[in-house]
Amino acid sequence: DTAVSQTPKYLVTQMGNDKSIKCEQNLGHDTMYWYKQDSKKFLKIMFSYNNKELIINETVPNRFSPKSPDKAHLNLHINSLELGDSAVYFCASSRDGLRSPLHFGNGTRLTVT
Amino acid sequence: AQSVTQLGSHVSVSEGALVLLRCNYSSSVPPYLFWYVQYPNQGLQLLLKYTTGATLVKGINGFEAEFKKSETSFHLTKPSAHMSDAAEYFCAVNRDDKIIFGKGTRLHILP
Repeated sequence: DTAVSQTPKYLVTQMGNDKSIKCEQNLGHDTMYWYKQDSKKFLKIMFSYNNKELIINETVPNRFSPKSPDKAHLNLHINSLELGDSAVYFCASSRDGLRSPLHFGNGTRLTVT
Repeated sequence: AQSVTQLGSHVSVSEGALVLLRCNYSSSVPPYLFWYVQYPNQGLQLLLKYTTGATLVKGINGFEAEFKKSETSFHLTKPSAHMSDAAEYFCAVNRDDKIIFGKGTRLHILP
């Protein structure tokens, strides 16, 4: 009964390909996020959705497109992958507002060759 | 704008010794402050949080942190380190509509 689950756990692909990462939460939370963690462990927010509506869109190349079919799912599609996209991508959710802690998935390690 | 600074990217302590991980924030409004822990190949999990009320906050695994407004600090402590505490620790603060993380501190436990 994993709270926030992401698939796949590992993703190895070549430059120029298009790939997707899926995320689902069964906590009933209203808000979902995508974070990127680089090789130095630095965590940077990419997107946030509240009840299927985009509320945060950081300076991220438009090759990255989030999609939220319902409030329990937030997927990340990446077009034309580049070497610099290699990182660990974390999905997270929170109940409401900024007082609520984030619940993280276990991450998707993306390697672009 | 708010941001968070963690002093020391690596901290080593002996098993049984005091753990002290430092976090300072900058804020123009009352902050919400969090500490998260990340074990290898896992996502982050919440250790503790401060929003309002008591400034000494107790979390899981024997950790606690004290919000000191005058020092703009939220340092994480544990009286006695255990080998299982070896992990990456992140301090976080709210900024605008999002949670901003510090750069993390890797805690090493020496036998």
